[in-house]
Amino acid sequence: EPEVTQTPSHQVTQMGQEVILRCVPISNHLYFYWYRQILGQKVEFLVSFYNNEISEKSEIFDDQFSVERPDGSNFTLKIRSTKLEDSAMYFCASTDGDTDEKLFFGSGTQLSVL
Amino acid sequence: RKEVEQDPGPFNVPEGATVAFNCTYSNSASQSFFWYRQDCRKEPKLLMSVYSSGNEDGRFTAQLNRASQYISLLIRDSKLSDSATYLCVVRNNNDMRFGAGTRLTVKP
Repeated sequence: EPEVTQTPSHQVTQMGQEVILRCVPISNHLYFYWYRQILGQKVEFLVSFYNNEISEKSEIFDDQFSVERPDGSNFTLKIRSTKLEDSAMYFCASTDGDTDEKLFFGSGTQLSVL
Repeated sequence: RKEVEQDPGPFNVPEGATVAFNCTYSNSASQSFFWYRQDCRKEPKLLMSVYSSGNEDGRFTAQLNRASQYISLLIRDSKLSDSATYLCVVRNNNDMRFGAGTRLTVKP
């Protein structure tokens, strides 16, 4: 089965540093998402991306966050100046937007901000 | 009111038991509904979509009541491998919103 891949699996950074989380969605998918999950808490929507632009974003997705699809395959999430509370598992997901609407998730990047 | 609300549990049941999870959602314009399963520290995986007419997949039955904005999941003949967190997911336009999940533990 095709899969969404995320790198790195773990990222440790100092508070105030910039991080870029990388994702390669499934090749024929059109809609891309970032979610985060703080340990022991719910999966929270951050942003959706379609046709090379943000289609929806949550209140969590403030000016410190940005997304980009720099080429035909990668989909990145950048956090400009990390805070302690950004520590979480970040999941990338994609869907073909067809009637199936199945979200395929990557295995996540565990971000630890020290 | 939370966008997607679930009973957090935990539900601790013996093997072979039948267990039901409930979920309510606040946006009456929500278009699609799903149950996902999440194992500890893993990514969520689709268990099943939920259709207005109700649908069944083996031991799993999902129901949707649009008038009450309510979704349910029934698991029959629970297996040890069913132990996981079950996430109710609702699609509103271009985003999918997750409930906090209901933790199920099936014991021998």
